[in-house]
Amino acid sequence: AQSVTQPDIHITVSEGASLELRCNYSYGATPYLFWYVQSPGQGLQLLLKYFSGDTLVQGIKGFEAEFKRSQSSFNLRKPSVHWSDAAEYFCAVEGNTPLVFGKGTRLSVIA
Amino acid sequence: SAVISQKPSRDICQRGTSLTIQCQVDSQVTMMFWYRQQPGQSLTLIATANQGSEATYESGFVIDKFPISRPNLTFSTLTVSNMSPEDSSIYLCSAKRGKVDTEAFFGQGTRLTVV
Repeated sequence: AQSVTQPDIHITVSEGASLELRCNYSYGATPYLFWYVQSPGQGLQLLLKYFSGDTLVQGIKGFEAEFKRSQSSFNLRKPSVHWSDAAEYFCAVEGNTPLVFGKGTRLSVIA
Repeated sequence: SAVISQKPSRDICQRGTSLTIQCQVDSQVTMMFWYRQQPGQSLTLIATANQGSEATYESGFVIDKFPISRPNLTFSTLTVSNMSPEDSSIYLCSAKRGKVDTEAFFGQGTRLTVV
């Protein structure tokens, strides 16, 4: 079965600064990869997904992620963070079983 | 993606009682799932709800504690039985339109507190 590691529990960035959230997965083949965002008291919203093809994927709200097979990674990036981006971010992987989530990274944005 | 509605959105229940959570999707979906998110934690898959047959449970979850129904392609229920304070969590319904090259979308969740 697949597994996901998000090494950063909490990240704080200044508004307008760039952001990169790390995600590493373990799976014997190329899985489906996802990033979801959860705002306080809300459900999960899909930011972006990778199934196959172009390894750089664009998502909503100006986010992008790059699949690197050699590093088993799918890091999330945004060039300029807005205060409204403060939330919990979950990387998830789907292989031969349903979605498995990482432990999440909490993003705080300061002025 | 389709829209998932969950009821109730939150509840406070007495220990020893049961609560049934409803999940309604606004269009037919192939797969439905139930997840648990304990306070401050990530999401853990409870089971896959199978239409017309018994749900497929993940390790650590059993049918007697979390009975699940899925009578058709748009509706599922999860019951949390004989509740204890340890069952206090957010329970999320999820669905996928297909098995290949499709993403899962989620309801807003049911926040359950057991006292």
